[in-house]
Amino acid sequence: KNQVEQSPQSLIILEGKNCTLQCNYTVSPFSNLRWYKQDTGRGPVSLTIMTFSENTKSNGRYTATLDADTKQSSLHITASQLSDSASYICVRGVGENNYGQNFVFGPGTRLSVLP
Amino acid sequence: KAGVTQTPRYLIKTRGQQVTLSCSPISGHRSVSWYQQTPGQGLQFLFEYFSETQRNKGNFPGRFSGRQFSNSRSEMNVSTLELGDSALYLCASSLEAARATEAFFGQGTRLTVV
Repeated sequence: KNQVEQSPQSLIILEGKNCTLQCNYTVSPFSNLRWYKQDTGRGPVSLTIMTFSENTKSNGRYTATLDADTKQSSLHITASQLSDSASYICVRGVGENNYGQNFVFGPGTRLSVLP
Repeated sequence: KAGVTQTPRYLIKTRGQQVTLSCSPISGHRSVSWYQQTPGQGLQFLFEYFSETQRNKGNFPGRFSGRQFSNSRSEMNVSTLELGDSALYLCASSLEAARATEAFFGQGTRLTVV
């Protein structure tokens, strides 16, 4: 069972609209919760990184939230643009003694923004 | 500042062969981690190196190995290739191995095993 689950699997929205992507993770502890954007055929690009003590982090039109009690995170995209079409991956960072770049990845949400 | 560079970008190998992939991290970064991405399994962690030492390891067979050199460049080796090893292999570099340090990914090496 994947320790990080995302919903929806795919999403289609019109340009200019907002959307929210969901992430549920299991198993504690974790050192950080990340969101990445991955364009087809390219490496992931970091959007936000949150430690367990943070509950929100913004990066331009992207805002991530984290509820450590319910083990849920969300990524809200405001005023979507065509260039937002990509896969959005939720990532749980783990590591021995809270160090290390050992990640557990969610399956991703495929977002398509239409004109 | 140059990003993470992976070479080669594309590779075709025959089942049973071995392959070596290279990753040059961002200048000054000492942590390099490797990942496998397939349509069926998504992204999976292979291993992480920091200052030439393997710090973390994922659940992959011993056919997958790696190393890091004193200049932080890293190589990943896969021996006795199987069809299922066909994947996009990504590496990421970080300034340190601290828990909330941002990881920068390369463009990946697309390996096809025939």
